[in-house]
Amino acid sequence: KQEVTQIPAALSVPEGENLVLNCSFTDSAIYNLQWFRQDPGKGLTSLLLIQSSQREQTSGRLNASLDKSSGRSTLYIAASQPGDSATYLCAVQGAQKLVFGQGTRLTINP
Amino acid sequence: DAGVIQSPRHEVTEMGQEVTLRCKPISGHDYLFWYRQTMMRGLELLIYFNNNVPIDDSGMPEDRFSAKMPNASFSTLKIQPSEPRDSAVYFCASRLAGQALNYGYTFGSGTRLTVV
Repeated sequence: KQEVTQIPAALSVPEGENLVLNCSFTDSAIYNLQWFRQDPGKGLTSLLLIQSSQREQTSGRLNASLDKSSGRSTLYIAASQPGDSATYLCAVQGAQKLVFGQGTRLTINP
Repeated sequence: DAGVIQSPRHEVTEMGQEVTLRCKPISGHDYLFWYRQTMMRGLELLIYFNNNVPIDDSGMPEDRFSAKMPNASFSTLKIQPSEPRDSAVYFCASRLAGQALNYGYTFGSGTRLTVV
């Protein structure tokens, strides 16, 4: 059974810092990995999708990497802003099923 | 495209009542998923459909939960009778099969259910 773990559970940093969120998964037989953002009381917004054959994807200040063999992914956020404050969820795609981690609650302090 | 549309956004009901949650997937998407999110358990897959046919309902908590997809543009998740422990945010998501499994999911805004 696939298990997804995100560390840390919560992170608070001052504005402007670069930061890294971590995601690990137990079964490396995945098709892709997706990072989502969730604002309080809101739905999920897809940030980046990395296909199993890829090693990283970039979108603006976000960069996500994937190391399938070690079962790890990282989300790098450059020059953090208060508007980046949200919960970030990592999810891995197996056979039709998307399995989520518990998320990292990120707070960027002005 | 309007995205995945869920209704209602919020639902407050009394224990024992029937609750019906609704979802309209993105046009052309052939997979539809129902997830439940709680603080304790995070996001859990309840059931998913492919071309309107239920494929895996192993995540449905118990017989009080049922889901249908009468056509490609509409799905319902019903709880009867509802209990306080069903209180959660219920998300619907859709996906295009297309090129194997390399297409991402699109989630709706969710329905926040409170059973009192």
